Amino acid sequence: AQSVTQLDSHVSVSEGTPVLLRCNYSSSYSPSLFWYVQHPNKGLQLLLKYTSAATLVKGINGFEAEFKKSETSFHLTKPSAHMSDAAEYFCVVSDGGTGNQFYFGTGTSLTVIP
Amino acid sequence: KAGVTQTPRYLIKTRGQQVTLSCSPISGHRSVSWYQQTPGQGLQFLFEYFSETQRNKGNFPGRFSGRQFSNSRSEMNVSTLELGDSALYLCASSLKPGQGLTDTQYFGPGTRLTVL
Repeated sequence: AQSVTQLDSHVSVSEGTPVLLRCNYSSSYSPSLFWYVQHPNKGLQLLLKYTSAATLVKGINGFEAEFKKSETSFHLTKPSAHMSDAAEYFCVVSDGGTGNQFYFGTGTSLTVIP
Repeated sequence: KAGVTQTPRYLIKTRGQQVTLSCSPISGHRSVSWYQQTPGQGLQFLFEYFSETQRNKGNFPGRFSGRQFSNSRSEMNVSTLELGDSALYLCASSLKPGQGLTDTQYFGPGTRLTVL
């Protein structure tokens, strides 16, 4: 069975400081992992994805994530937070074993303090 | 290339009514998935369609149904609406089916359904 745990429901950082959003996954197969961002009253935008290539994945807007199989983690980081980064972030796992079903984490709300 | 479009964007219905939501995938994408997003339950998978066939279904009652047309456009229908059906309904499209390979899903802006 596939599942995702986002370890923090809320994260607050000051503008210009690093961002760390934590995600642990469980998957029976070799997983594909994604991070999506959702701004208020908007749909989901893809930040980055891991599909068994390089373990350090770079995404849009300066975000990156590292796949660590031994720790079953896929944490999202950014060196310097910007006010526009304030949003809800979702970690997603999919194994592709039965179609293309995505399993979402419960989300992490990021607040950026000026 | 145009993104995923969903219509309508906002909808208000009363209990007992039915509703149909529409989703047009990115041109060339053949797989369409639907999700329900609520504050309490988060994002939950409803179903996935590929080549006009439902390939996957989440844990929702039979009041929730969908279909896909030959041009890959998809509709979902909710009959006998309940207050708890109030949610943001998101549609996502992907280029090709999983079949052991995961394909990125691209999401539309959603349809906000309010049931009174």
